[in-house]
Amino acid sequence: EADIYQTPRYLVIGTGKKITLECSQTMGHDKMYWYQQDPGMELHLIHYSYGVNSTEKGDLSSESTVSRIRTEHFPLTLESARPSHTSQYLCASSDDFEDEQFFGPGTRLTVL
Amino acid sequence: AQSVTQPDIHITVSEGASLELRCNYSYGATPYLFWYVQSPGQGLQLLLKYFSGDTLVQGIKGFEAEFKRSQSSFNLRKPSVHWSDAAEYFCAVGPYSGGYNKLIFGAGTRLAVHP
Repeated sequence: EADIYQTPRYLVIGTGKKITLECSQTMGHDKMYWYQQDPGMELHLIHYSYGVNSTEKGDLSSESTVSRIRTEHFPLTLESARPSHTSQYLCASSDDFEDEQFFGPGTRLTVL
Repeated sequence: AQSVTQPDIHITVSEGASLELRCNYSYGATPYLFWYVQSPGQGLQLLLKYFSGDTLVQGIKGFEAEFKRSQSSFNLRKPSVHWSDAAEYFCAVGPYSGGYNKLIFGAGTRLAVHP
């Protein structure tokens, strides 16, 4: 079944650790996105990708980085996590011809 | 600047009552409009979308929305709310560029349903 997956769902780590949030989709979509969502707030786009080897920063400045080596995989990395990175991170994808974005279940990150 | 406003942060309704969630947008051309629902601990699920044509759009779970260009609104409605509809609802506007499919989200409306 075509879907979009995120792991881990929940992560609690200490300050200074390097972390990678995984996002994979089996929908064959070219476009993928990372959003950051604080409780009770709107989603803010932090990264997006048109396709393999394409990555761009979104509207909200983020210290995270992304890579797109394979169509189905769009991981997000924080080299040195800080408490200010505590948030929910949502991954999404869309195809070439429709604006509808399909979302993963999210990763809730807490940095102590 | 493009923006989406959801005036109601929190709404409480009784089960079986009707529901209307408001969404206003600011956009220079005809937008693509979306309503998403987010249950606790989950990602967003698309309820319905408007691209063109009939301004009354039917979605999943018995929801509908009406695009009113003169009011720059895209309000979500449901005639009879079920307890399982308790969730957070996000309105979004998307310019279609053929390239970067950017969505701008509102801050969301949290719906509580009383039995």
